[in-house]
Order: sequence, then structure tokens, then C-alpha cells
Amino acid sequence: GESVGLHLPTLSVQEGDNSIINCAYSNSASDYFIWYKQESGKGPQFIIDIRSNMDKRQGQRVTVLLNKTVKHLSLQIAATQPGDSAVYFCAENGSSNTGKLIFGQGTTLQVKP
Amino acid sequence: DAMVIQNPRYQVTQFGKPVTLSCSQTLNHNVMYWYQQKSSQAPKLLFHYYDKDFNNEADTPDNFQSRRPNTSFCFLDIRSPGLGDAAMYLCATMDTYTQETQYFGPGTRLLVL
Repeated sequence: GESVGLHLPTLSVQEGDNSIINCAYSNSASDYFIWYKQESGKGPQFIIDIRSNMDKRQGQRVTVLLNKTVKHLSLQIAATQPGDSAVYFCAENGSSNTGKLIFGQGTTLQVKP
Repeated sequence: DAMVIQNPRYQVTQFGKPVTLSCSQTLNHNVMYWYQQKSSQAPKLLFHYYDKDFNNEADTPDNFQSRRPNTSFCFLDIRSPGLGDAAMYLCATMDTYTQETQYFGPGTRLLVL
């Protein structure tokens, strides 16, 4: 079936290092992708998004890369801080236009001080 | 300023006792979603309202119902909560006329005794 998956369930990085969180998607018809950050006990928070007509988009300390050839999405966080510790989900809009999202399983980012 | 508000943040109910969770939004978005999220899992869509149209997911149990009396409010009713319904319940909204990003509320943590 169609799914969005993450390669690593947990990523541990040193404070100040760069983090890279990966996501594989299987629906080639998806044309919109989002990264969410979810801290413990809170709702998912929008971080950054990208459309399929782009291969890179930058925000504040975050960059999303999209490789449609291999159906791969990544989130890069520069100079990772303790406050970045959270679970990160990727999501895609799939092939429908109903506004539904398909979520990946999530990667836990742990930042060591 | 809170844009998607969920009340209460924590809800304790008894096995089989009906419970209602509420969500309100100040964004005037036309779509509202309800998700169930269990520990270490991605959010699972239960149903959504596209304007006034209710859209149920095929695998959502009949025990879960929803109401949307107006644009701003949406309710999740659990008729007879079971122990397996203990979870975080997330509300999200989206404006399909201008974007495809879903914005989440802080969630309600439901405990079933």
C-alpha cells in the first residue's frame, strides 16, 4: 500500500552539530510534502513544506530536500539545539485532493548537550 | 495567540461512559480533522469535515462520532470508551482555498479508567 516511512526511528546528535532526518515515500503522485515537529505532550507543529516542483527549500535553520527520482525527502537542521529534541514526522498529500495527509512513522531526535 | 484550541487538555473518563472532546479555531478554515495518536505512533485520521460535509475513514469505529455545528467548532464524541481508546486526540484545520498545510491543536489526552 501507499506509505510514507522514515529510515531511522531515533537520531542522537551533539548540540551544535547538524541533523539530517530522512523520509521515503511511495506515492509518486504526491505533490506536496510537510515536516512536522512534535514535542512531548503537544500537537504537531508545522516546520516547513515543499512542493514537487522544487527540490530544495530553506527556512530558519531548516532545509528540506526533495528527490523525486528516488522518492526521498529529508529535513536538515543546522546547529542543532536542545530545543530541537522532539519527534519529527514527514507527511505527503497522496494522490487525492481531499486535504488528507499520509504521515510517516516519525523519527525521534535526541540532542545531547 | 492560540489558533486551534482544544478543551480539555486532559480528560479522564470511565469505561463505557460517553465523553466529548472539543476543538475550536480562530482561523476560519473550512476543513477540520480529528486524529487519534497513540504512544510512539503517527497520528491516525478518524474523520474530517470538509465545510459541512462529514468524511469518515473506513476503519474508524462506530463508537466515534463527530459534530460540526459551525465553522469554528468541531466535537469528537466517544459513545462508549474502551481501554483501547486511551490516546491523544488531535484536532487540525486547513484552508483548502489557499493552502494544503494542516495546523494542529495541542491535543487532548484521554485516559479511560
